Amino acid sequence: GENVEQHPSTLSVQEGDSAVIKCTYSDSASNYFPWYKQELGKRPQLIIDIRSNVGEKKDQRIAVTLNKTAKHFSLHITETQPEDSAVYFCAASIGDSGYALNFGKGTSLLVTP
Amino acid sequence: GAVVSQHPSRVICKSGTSVKIECRSLDFQATTMFWYRQFPKKSLMLMATSNEGSKATYEQGVEKDKFLINHASLTLSTLTVTSAHPEDSSFYICSAISGRAPNNEQFFGPGTRLTVL
Repeated sequence: GENVEQHPSTLSVQEGDSAVIKCTYSDSASNYFPWYKQELGKRPQLIIDIRSNVGEKKDQRIAVTLNKTAKHFSLHITETQPEDSAVYFCAASIGDSGYALNFGKGTSLLVTP
Repeated sequence: GAVVSQHPSRVICKSGTSVKIECRSLDFQATTMFWYRQFPKKSLMLMATSNEGSKATYEQGVEKDKFLINHASLTLSTLTVTSAHPEDSSFYICSAISGRAPNNEQFFGPGTRLTVL
């Protein structure tokens, strides 16, 4: 199937710093790009998503940008806190159905006090 | 709202036996559910899309005769791992789409840890 590449695989930042996670996708028909946060032993939870007709979306300390031409999108977390520590997955819809998703391999974010 | 449950949470079985995992949407009707497999410290790999009342759509490389999916009602999908082998040991997680949530947000179940001896 189509691939979603995610970088970095691990990221360590100090509390208060910003964290950026980048993803690229190959399916030009993808039109929905959610980001999920998965804490250890828990289920993935949606934290923010963006559709292909929007270039940027922000929700408090979290923002996502999308460059559809370059087929890449990024997650930005500002003023990081220890509770932001988790694995973050990006995903891209398979085709334009907006239903099934291809996930990136995940980024393990550690925020140190 | 939009709670998804899975049962069992953990199962250990002998090689050659079959294991059934249930995925339920507790407070909404889910016409579409998804089954994923997650290896330790790895991503979620989509196995199949389960639609109520019709055959599941399997991703490339996933054996439909080994991983039987039944979506018998709008709140229940089951995944049966037939003739399980140690290499089938993994974390299986389902998700469901709620028509009430915007952007077809997928709500995930808590997952089932399968260990095949």
